[in-house]
Amino acid sequence: EVQLVQSGAEMKKPGESLKISCKGSGYSFTNYWIGWVRQMPGKGLEWMGIIYPGDSDTRYSPSFQGQVTISADKSIRMAYLQWSSLKASDTAMYYCARRLGGYCSITSCPGTFDVWGQGTMVTVSS
Amino acid sequence: QSVLTQPPSVSGAPGQRVTISCTGSSSNIGAGYDVHWYQQLPGTAPKLLIYDNSNRPSGVPDRFSGSKSGTSASLAITGLQAEDEADYYCQSYDRSLSGSVFGGGTKLTVL
Repeated sequence: EVQLVQSGAEMKKPGESLKISCKGSGYSFTNYWIGWVRQMPGKGLEWMGIIYPGDSDTRYSPSFQGQVTISADKSIRMAYLQWSSLKASDTAMYYCARRLGGYCSITSCPGTFDVWGQGTMVTVSS
Repeated sequence: QSVLTQPPSVSGAPGQRVTISCTGSSSNIGAGYDVHWYQQLPGTAPKLLIYDNSNRPSGVPDRFSGSKSGTSASLAITGLQAEDEADYYCQSYDRSLSGSVFGGGTKLTVL
């Protein structure tokens, strides 16, 4: 069974750092892009960025560029989303999802997300 | 303000047909990029419902169908059931933003 399993809920203070994870199983992890999606409380889905674990090629949404870092460790089938200094406005549910689609060029990487993790709730509060 | 525009809510009685629209622009849907639809039941992760405009993943009932025309796309649900009550999101790719974009989501209420 193809699965993405995310790390557990986190409670942090403003200014702290955080790295959450997403572990893939049941498929060739290095051959599929993994995306990250934010959902703030009571709000819709926002695409944050995407990474290809095979070579760590990473693309960011302009809204999230410089705000977060997406990385991957293909040896342990993990993708990561990290913050160096959290803000209260980072409070949200974060999902990882596997991209299903064809080749990604340097400028274009369309596709759908066919398998989703269960989500990691991040709460930032003083 | 989402790049793709969806109605905030739609409703229908059991057995009826409802449609949810997703309106984009010439830099996303109108540029030829495919549209995908997701269902998010309360308290759960999104689930892929329709991919590449009109294709259903294995296990998705044929009551769900999708279409695309010009700069818009639609999701249709026939034979509405109580279990269909959920949030629905469209998604595509935007060449100006060089990334995927989601609609704002539509809450379906089954009366």
